[in-house]
Amino acid sequence: GNSVTQMEGPVTLSEEAFLTINCTYTATGYPSLFWYVQYPGEGLQLLLKATKADDKGSNKGFEATYRKETTSFHLEKGSVQVSDSAVYFCALSGAPKTSYDKVIFGPGTSLSVIP
Amino acid sequence: NAGVTQTPKFRVLKTGQSMTLLCAQDMNHEYMYWYRQDPGMGLRLIHYSVGEGTTAKGEVPDGYNVSRLKKQNFLLGLESAAPSQTSVYFCASTQGKEQYFGPGTRLTVT
Repeated sequence: GNSVTQMEGPVTLSEEAFLTINCTYTATGYPSLFWYVQYPGEGLQLLLKATKADDKGSNKGFEATYRKETTSFHLEKGSVQVSDSAVYFCALSGAPKTSYDKVIFGPGTSLSVIP
Repeated sequence: NAGVTQTPKFRVLKTGQSMTLLCAQDMNHEYMYWYRQDPGMGLRLIHYSVGEGTTAKGEVPDGYNVSRLKKQNFLLGLESAAPSQTSVYFCASTQGKEQYFGPGTRLTVT
């Protein structure tokens, strides 16, 4: 079955440091890949997505590239800010044209950015 | 456009009590979902619906029931609450691949 694996947290970085959160997946077909972010006390919100191999999703300075050959979708940011402190979830959804787009979430990686 | 809303935001129940969590969306989405979030376990799907009048079980449906009488609403019921149901509950909806989440309901069962 489909699954998502993320690096274990928590991750603590100083402001302006480089961020990488690793994500690998197992899936049949051609899933879409997502990164969601959850700020303290809130629900998840979509950060970025990629729907096919070699696509790069980007938003708010974050980037991730859909690598089918390594089944990975690592999240990166060149210079983190305190406001980036949150929990980050990697996720995938099934192949297109399915009647039910079940989303598989990774366990989440907590990021704390200190001034 | 409020997106996805959930009521209540917080609730404390005693073991054996019942309650209903309400999720409402104003985006005319067909698909709606209920998840629970527990430390170290990520999000787990409880039940979902692919349209008005339809519901289906997810990964962890035991102890919960749902109803989707109106397209915009998805109700999650606990008939006899147990301490193991202490969690944060999230509702989500989608029309395509991106899921839109509500702010969550924090439920404690004592």
